[in-house]
Amino acid sequence: EAGVAQSPRYKIIEKRQSVAFWCNPISGHATLYWYQQILGQGPKLLIQFQNNGVVDDSQLPKDRFSAERLKGVDSTLKIQPAKLEDSAVYLCASSRLAGVSLDTQYFGPGTRLTVL
Amino acid sequence: AQSVTQLGSHVSVSEGALVLLRCNYSSSVPPYLFWYVQYPNQGLQLLLKYTTGATLVKGINGFEAEFKKSETSFHLTKPSAHMSDAAEYFCAVILVRGGYNKLIFGAGTRLAVHP
Repeated sequence: EAGVAQSPRYKIIEKRQSVAFWCNPISGHATLYWYQQILGQGPKLLIQFQNNGVVDDSQLPKDRFSAERLKGVDSTLKIQPAKLEDSAVYLCASSRLAGVSLDTQYFGPGTRLTVL
Repeated sequence: AQSVTQLGSHVSVSEGALVLLRCNYSSSVPPYLFWYVQYPNQGLQLLLKYTTGATLVKGINGFEAEFKKSETSFHLTKPSAHMSDAAEYFCAVILVRGGYNKLIFGAGTRLAVHP
């Protein structure tokens, strides 16, 4: 079974530029997550989709971040405009079930973003 | 609100020595607890999880963790460290919302294993 795929793996941009990350979850997984992992910290959930609906985006800076999940499969996360403090690893994860299950989350390798 | 605290951002052990990574939780309800491992340039991988039942949980790669309610702890151990165990380890707790769950991670502990 193929894992969670993310691209690009690395991205360097200047502040005020825009950037987009792509995630392809494990086939058939209903729930998709985007996390931000700042150096020296644990991952922080930005947004969670169940199928193609958002169930939690409480920690997504909506003035600059946006995310969508197309047809309940792939997802993109966009930052526009980027700030220095957005430098982090952006992790995508997916889990098979939706709802209040304790289903395992499977993580992709992440995209390391550096904002100069 | 649920949260976890990992004591020690860096732990260094000799190959063959006991590994002990500490995690304390805060939860107003019975917690669901997890340990994840992150190898360099890779995503997180589930090591083990505690939901209900037996308080000693065995995971992959010889790791285990014990849920101690009286101490609000969920420490991760391995009897004998291997060089390949060098990685970052994250403790996490589930926050249950209406209709979905949310993982709350600790800050992580980086484990170094030296010969």
